Amino acid sequence: ETGVTQTPRHLVMGMTNKKSLKCEQHLGHNAMYWYKQSAKKPLELMFVYNFKEQTENNSVPSRFSPECPNSSHLFLHLHTLQPEDSALYLCASSPTLDREGERYGYTFGSGTRLTVV
Amino acid sequence: AQKVTQAQTEISVVEKEDVTLDCVYETRDTTYYLFWYKQPPSGELVFLIRRNSFDEQNEISGRYSWNFQKSTSSFNFTITASQVVDSAVYFCALTQGGSEKLVFGKGTKLTVNP
Repeated sequence: ETGVTQTPRHLVMGMTNKKSLKCEQHLGHNAMYWYKQSAKKPLELMFVYNFKEQTENNSVPSRFSPECPNSSHLFLHLHTLQPEDSALYLCASSPTLDREGERYGYTFGSGTRLTVV
Repeated sequence: AQKVTQAQTEISVVEKEDVTLDCVYETRDTTYYLFWYKQPPSGELVFLIRRNSFDEQNEISGRYSWNFQKSTSSFNFTITASQVVDSAVYFCALTQGGSEKLVFGKGTKLTVNP
């Protein structure tokens, strides 16, 4: 248990399906992130939320729709995905997005292994 | 632009050997932070260390040690007396001061054989 919980662990979906990934942390962190890890590619930052507000959208296609109802929960809504979207989706949190101070280490979840068929 | 290069894609060693994982970074910023993460087969990324650009002191934590050299833009990670449980993918990462973007290298897969 890392402190950041992601569900489901595995997901297989068709290209016309709508599904959601969930991330939850009770570490008291204020910033939450979605990362995508594809085979043979570096981890890619997708979205950043700080105090429930989205502060970063790293040119992510609109078929990925994040939602952050509070600082403890983060969702990634998926619709009409493509096979190339198959990847490990990792959620992370950190204590703060302090632009002036020291950057803290992120706490990552175990990820959701997504397969689009 | 920021970039992290982990030239070693895969390393295989025998238990009790020492192994060094290389990390070379590129950044134009004077304030930045370097990280190492471990990703075991279970998938989660485990935070190992954070180092800021103003602190070039090397660090040792048990069997782990890190060598930060600004002159060569490197932040190498050494595991002494490796164990089977050290088998994982190790990622080096970089973020500039004031940014929430953590830029990762492609990772080095370490296999420690008994």
